[in-house]
Amino acid sequence: EAQVTQNPRYLITVTGKKLTVTCSQNMNHEYMSWYRQDPGLGLRQIYYSMNVEVTDKGDVPEGYKVSRKEKRNFPLILESPSPNQTSLYFCASSFSGNRGYTFGSGTRLTVV
Amino acid sequence: KQEVTQIPAALSVPEGENLVLNCSFTDSAIYNLQWFRQDPGKGLTSLLLIQSSQREQTSGRLNASLDKSSGRSTLYIAASQPGDSATYLCAVNESNTGKLIFGQGTTLQVKP
Repeated sequence: EAQVTQNPRYLITVTGKKLTVTCSQNMNHEYMSWYRQDPGLGLRQIYYSMNVEVTDKGDVPEGYKVSRKEKRNFPLILESPSPNQTSLYFCASSFSGNRGYTFGSGTRLTVV
Repeated sequence: KQEVTQIPAALSVPEGENLVLNCSFTDSAIYNLQWFRQDPGKGLTSLLLIQSSQREQTSGRLNASLDKSSGRSTLYIAASQPGDSATYLCAVNESNTGKLIFGQGTTLQVKP
């Protein structure tokens, strides 16, 4: 089944403890992105990648890192999480920048 | 800066009714527009993708239209069912970076 898989689905962590949210797609998509969704603010792009080893900042990149060492994986790294990073996170992928996107099921992160 | 607005924010209808959800965007230079469905606390499911050169797309009881010149899209749902209850999001893809700009969504409740 063609899909974007995120792990974990739920995570509660403490301030300052490094964490990684994994994202993997099995559709051979070039484009991958991370979004966060917050009440009243909607969905906002954090980082995106147009191909392997090519990543760039979205609208809200502060406090996050990404890597794209292979086509299928695009992990989101929080080096020192803070409570304002408590959010619902989505990974998405697309065959190209002007095609439709497939989203993962989301990761609900709580930082205390 | 592209802005996407969805009206109404919430809608409640009796089962069987036909309904229209609205999406407007401020910059007509888009690649495509995508409609998504989101169930509470869940991921985004792609419903329809309309390329900038297209006027409409249909899938089952759903029909989405696009009028680029006026900056508008509508999602028509025929013969609504309680299972259609969800939040509907529209997103425009405005550049070759593939970034999606989302509206705030319309939360639909279909009463039996």
